Amino acid sequence: NAGVTQTPKFQVLKTGQSMTLQCAQDMNHEYMSWYRQDPGMGLRLIHYSVGAGITDQGEVPNGYNVSRSTTEDFPLRLLSAAPSQTSVYFCASSYETGTANVLTFGAGSRLTVL
Amino acid sequence: GQNIDQPTEMTATEGAIVQINCTYQTSGFNGLFWYQQHAGEAPTFLSYNVLDGLEEKGRFSSFLSRSKGYSYLLLKELQMKDSASYLCACMDSNYQLIWGAGTKLIIKP
Repeated sequence: NAGVTQTPKFQVLKTGQSMTLQCAQDMNHEYMSWYRQDPGMGLRLIHYSVGAGITDQGEVPNGYNVSRSTTEDFPLRLLSAAPSQTSVYFCASSYETGTANVLTFGAGSRLTVL
Repeated sequence: GQNIDQPTEMTATEGAIVQINCTYQTSGFNGLFWYQQHAGEAPTFLSYNVLDGLEEKGRFSSFLSRSKGYSYLLLKELQMKDSASYLCACMDSNYQLIWGAGTKLIIKP
């Protein structure tokens, strides 16, 4: 099993450009999520999904869109990149929501917006 | 508001013991997690506590006191590979995770 696969690993964008961060998991996990990690701050939830066709906003959703057309894939779209979106992005999945639910993280995508 | 506090950085010596503390204030409580994150890598799961007490797993142990809103991660027989950031996260009443900023642990020979 590959686990959670994120692409690209690194990306540089100019302000105003759009892009999609890809996330795929092969563990048949129902729950998938996107986090951003910034220096000196805890992981912050952007969007999450509890199953195919269901998405919801997290703590910092502005400027990002998601969709969940299949159980395996959960892409994150930046609509019009801003320097404030410079960050490391992690996709994470788990078998279900609820207590004791351990997240499996992808390797991360480092995004720089100039 | 919801808040997780943990020290920013700690230093310890190879072979020694170190305790990383985490205090939390959340809307409800459905468990506390510890994750390890090596520089440039993804977080990986270490432990989960939902009841008071100590959970031991090899060289790593995690303790929880719900009445005090307090947890610690205890690392014994420190090895150089334990140099990493340790993330504390609480699950609130909505089953959402609230994350601390992480404690960077530096191991010296």
